[in-house]
Amino acid sequence: GAVVSQHPSRVICKSGTSVKIECRSLDFQATTMFWYRQFPKQSLMLMATSNEGSKATYEQGVEKDKFLINHASLTLSTLTVTSAHPEDSSFYICSTKIAGAEETQYFGPGTRLLVL
Amino acid sequence: LAKTTQPISMDSYEGQEVNITCSHNNIATNDYITWYQQFPSQGPRFIIQGYKTKVTNEVASLFIPADRKSSTLSLPRVSLSDTAVYYCLVGDSDYGQNFVFGPGTRLSVLP
Repeated sequence: GAVVSQHPSRVICKSGTSVKIECRSLDFQATTMFWYRQFPKQSLMLMATSNEGSKATYEQGVEKDKFLINHASLTLSTLTVTSAHPEDSSFYICSTKIAGAEETQYFGPGTRLLVL
Repeated sequence: LAKTTQPISMDSYEGQEVNITCSHNNIATNDYITWYQQFPSQGPRFIIQGYKTKVTNEVASLFIPADRKSSTLSLPRVSLSDTAVYYCLVGDSDYGQNFVFGPGTRLSVLP
């Protein structure tokens, strides 16, 4: 299957700082990537859809000014958590789909964010 | 949007066959059924996908009855490493509907 990477794998930051998480498709081009958040013992929740060359589409209840998404190339999407607070501590996971197999998502390994 | 219902948890022993059933009573004509596996602190991994009848790959089988209102993921001869959360997703990607994760089924394989 397709390979998706995320960087960093884990990050600890102070409250009020911004954190950038990268999601890369390693062996294919991804015009669309998806960002999820997962709290401990809970399921994944879709935050936004990242579209290459255009603005991201955010799910209801997700603040677009707090979670900035940039998809500047066909292989890279970034999620920036601005002015992070302890309640933003979570597991952030990106995914993508391959043209011709749009029903299947390929997920990155996830990024563990801890805000102190 | 087809809502899915799965058992919250299941226990099994090594070497047994495990069947996890997902209910999706309001599945639409264009919806596919996809199962993912997730280990702690990892992203989900695609297991199997189907539309109707039976699908089999190297790791699992997926049984879908004619009315498609449910599906059963079958894991043959589970091992300890199959302990994970299993998610059933139903939707049509054209409408962005296959991104709603239910609570999943937490499978514990015991020695």
